Amino acid sequence: SQKIEQNSEALNIQEGKTATLTCNYTNYSPAYLQWYRQDPGRGPVFLLLIRENEKEKRKERLKVTFDTTLKQSLFHITASQPADSATYLCALVPTDSWGKLQFGAGTQVVVTP
Amino acid sequence: DTAVSQTPKYLVTQMGNDKSIKCEQNLGHDTMYWYKQDSKKFLKIMFSYNNKELIINETVPNRFSPKSPDKAHLNLHINSLELGDSAVYFCASSQEGTGVYGYTFGSGTRLTVV
Repeated sequence: SQKIEQNSEALNIQEGKTATLTCNYTNYSPAYLQWYRQDPGRGPVFLLLIRENEKEKRKERLKVTFDTTLKQSLFHITASQPADSATYLCALVPTDSWGKLQFGAGTQVVVTP
Repeated sequence: DTAVSQTPKYLVTQMGNDKSIKCEQNLGHDTMYWYKQDSKKFLKIMFSYNNKELIINETVPNRFSPKSPDKAHLNLHINSLELGDSAVYFCASSQEGTGVYGYTFGSGTRLTVV
């Protein structure tokens, strides 16, 4: 069966450190993978997209890697700040289902001062 | 300016009732979606419309009926509400149908059926 798995345990991290989140997928052939941030009571906010032929993408303090052999994406928040505390969702669009963005359940990040 | 707005934000209703959730986007996007987020936080696509035409209809009970009067609006009507319909419903839009530029989500409607 198809799965998108993210660590269900909250990631507690000290301010200034790098937070690394994992997204693993099974039985998908994604054309691209996206990362979103979701705050309590709000909708997800799009952060970054990485295509299947890209290894790495950066945006400010965020870095995403995509390994189609391992079927895994890593999401890094460098120099983390308390304001980065939120749930981060990975999502992918399968090449055989354009427009059907499929989401993982998300990983909560808590950054403490 | 709110990009994707949904109303109401909270909806508490009894089993068997019929209710509607409205969604509007002012981004000029061609495609709009309804997603359901259950208690385990999984977001699942329900419907997708492109320029008022239905293009994705996942396995959703017939009690759920989307309506798109124009490409800026996508409403969700739910008949004969059941306890299991309790969830947060998100409307979203994207510039085009593949979502390659990302989705813009509304802030959600928390539906509670009692």
